[in-house]
Amino acid sequence: DVVMTQSPLSLPVTLGQPASISCRSSQSLVYSDGNTYLSWFQQRPGQSPRRLIYKVSNRESGVPDRFSGSGSGTDFTLKISRVEAEDVGVYYCLQGTHWRSFGGGTKVEIK
Amino acid sequence: DVQVAESGGGLVQPGGSLRLSCVASGFTFSSYEMSWVRQAPGKGLEWVSWTGGSDGDKLYADSVKGRFTISRDNAKNSLYLQMNSLRVEDTGVYYCVRGDAGSADHWGQGTLVTVSS
Repeated sequence: DVVMTQSPLSLPVTLGQPASISCRSSQSLVYSDGNTYLSWFQQRPGQSPRRLIYKVSNRESGVPDRFSGSGSGTDFTLKISRVEAEDVGVYYCLQGTHWRSFGGGTKVEIK
Repeated sequence: DVQVAESGGGLVQPGGSLRLSCVASGFTFSSYEMSWVRQAPGKGLEWVSWTGGSDGDKLYADSVKGRFTISRDNAKNSLYLQMNSLRVEDTGVYYCVRGDAGSADHWGQGTLVTVSS
């Protein structure tokens, strides 16, 4: 099974400052069709998960451009350029190349 | 607007059964893969099951294989999850999701399943 490891577990951030979350997979996420099926989700308190990024770096419609995804192979990053209060929540990475597995989550909170 | 809405959760004893339903609207249901994802209380997300656009291809997490069955009725725009031999560790919120891991773009609000004696 592919293990997805996120870090940090908790990320206190000052409003207006950048934030970065890492997601590492135990195997390469490049699929036989050439795509890399790595997505990022945001789960605000009391809400369902919402997709932010798909296939590493493609932003979902309606997602603010302060969110960006990057990476390749086994190493991926979600960046928030300037954290706003509405960004508080837990962020998960998800791989869909080998079955499907989520990272353990990163809790973003305001300092 | 694309919407998926789950129902059918509740309290059930260990070893019991429950059937979850998900009604979809705002898109051509038969053209989309659909999935179930769950979240134990205070924990992370776990992909449970997936089905293709027809009622043919199906996949399950090892943790539920042989106990859960995913199905769909495209005429009713509905997705189902039949859960048998339920265990305490199956407790959690179950989400209906449009798409697969690479395309999971709409999630329902979830339905809570509690397995307890």
